[in-house]
Amino acid sequence: NAGVTQTPKFQVLKTGQSMTLQCAQDMNHEYMSWYRQDPGMGLRLIHYSVGAGITDQGEVPNGYNVSRSTTEDFPLRLLSAAPSQTSVYFCASSYATGSNQPQHFGDGTRLSIL
Amino acid sequence: AQKVTQAQTEISVVEKEDVTLDCVYETRDTTYYLFWYKQPPSGELVFLIRRNSFDEQNEISGRYSWNFQKSTSSFNFTITASQVVDSAVYFCALSEALTGNQFYFGTGTSLTVIP
Repeated sequence: NAGVTQTPKFQVLKTGQSMTLQCAQDMNHEYMSWYRQDPGMGLRLIHYSVGAGITDQGEVPNGYNVSRSTTEDFPLRLLSAAPSQTSVYFCASSYATGSNQPQHFGDGTRLSIL
Repeated sequence: AQKVTQAQTEISVVEKEDVTLDCVYETRDTTYYLFWYKQPPSGELVFLIRRNSFDEQNEISGRYSWNFQKSTSSFNFTITASQVVDSAVYFCALSEALTGNQFYFGTGTSLTVIP
């Protein structure tokens, strides 16, 4: 029972490079989301998806793209990395929003942009 | 406007002291859900408790207790007889039944328990 799996756990990029953070869940959850965590800022929502083929922007979407081709996978793409995107990224999933089902989080990806 | 406010940024207590972490929320929904998560130094986010808006009963789980008061829009978390292992960042979160597709998190309270 893997839950939410994020890869990689650590990554260092140069400014301008692109990359994809992977997120997969095996709980058949409809709702998936990406957050970034910065000191003193808590968890800020980047993008979310309420089901396959449906995505929407959160609080801080600029510089990031997402897609949801399957229920299981929700990758986050950095189009052209910037030092301001240095952060810890968390993927989460839940049965639904607007319900008493909590979000299950992956272990996070620590990303540094030089 | 912040939907979930955790005004305490950092708290330090000496082991065995009791400590209360405050959470104030804002919503227009009549049906909503509140959560607490713990993030220990290892970094993972651990779900602790959920509460729905129709259940104002306080809950106790071992040394942990939660006080939900709709009148003050608060969902406070108390740790009794704190231990070093309680040192972590604690997040309060809100999910709205009717109007939202998002979970709203507070900015977290960093708790340090000093041995």
